[in-house]
Amino acid sequence: NAGVTQTPKFRILKIGQSMTLQCTQDMNHNYMYWYRQDPGMGLKLIYYSVGAGITDKGEVPNGYNVSRSTTEDFPLRLELAAPSQTSVYFCASSYDRVSTEAFFGQGTRLTVV
Amino acid sequence: DAKTTQPNSMESNEEEPVHLPCNHSTISGTDYIHWYRQLPSQGPEYVIHGLTSNVNNRMASLAIAEDRKSSTLILHRATLRDAAVYYCILRDVGGGTSYGKLTFGQGTILTVHP
Repeated sequence: NAGVTQTPKFRILKIGQSMTLQCTQDMNHNYMYWYRQDPGMGLKLIYYSVGAGITDKGEVPNGYNVSRSTTEDFPLRLELAAPSQTSVYFCASSYDRVSTEAFFGQGTRLTVV
Repeated sequence: DAKTTQPNSMESNEEEPVHLPCNHSTISGTDYIHWYRQLPSQGPEYVIHGLTSNVNNRMASLAIAEDRKSSTLILHRATLRDAAVYYCILRDVGGGTSYGKLTFGQGTILTVHP
């Protein structure tokens, strides 16, 4: 099993550019999450989804958008990148919302210059 | 969201037990207690979780206080590979918009000495 796969692993963006961070999971999980982690800090929830076609905002959604057209994929879109979005982004998935573990991808390290 | 409080850092020697404490005084009756750890330059990985009773798995043990306002993650014999940031998280099972969010705090940085 591949688990949760994120691409790309690294990216440098210029201010104002846009990009999509890809996340796919092969475990047939309904719940998927996007987090960001700034240096020396814990993870903060950006967006989450409870199934195809259903998404909602987390703690820090500004500057991001998501879509969930399939169970497997949960891409995160950055529009008009800003230096404040320099961070490591983690995608995660879980089978249900409580009693089972969440699986995390290896992260995408994004630098906006 | 119910919050957790953990020490910023702890140290241990290799092959000794480690007890990582977590306070969660505002825990609700249906919050599960989850522990994750994050090794350097990696995504978080699941360690253990529980609701009321103590739990054991191949990685660790979780001791939950009777009033559920605190818990302790126990690594029975620390190894150098256990050096990581350990997060104690309350996973919200409530209805509405909670959606099982994992809300991370600052975590405890565990240093293991050879």
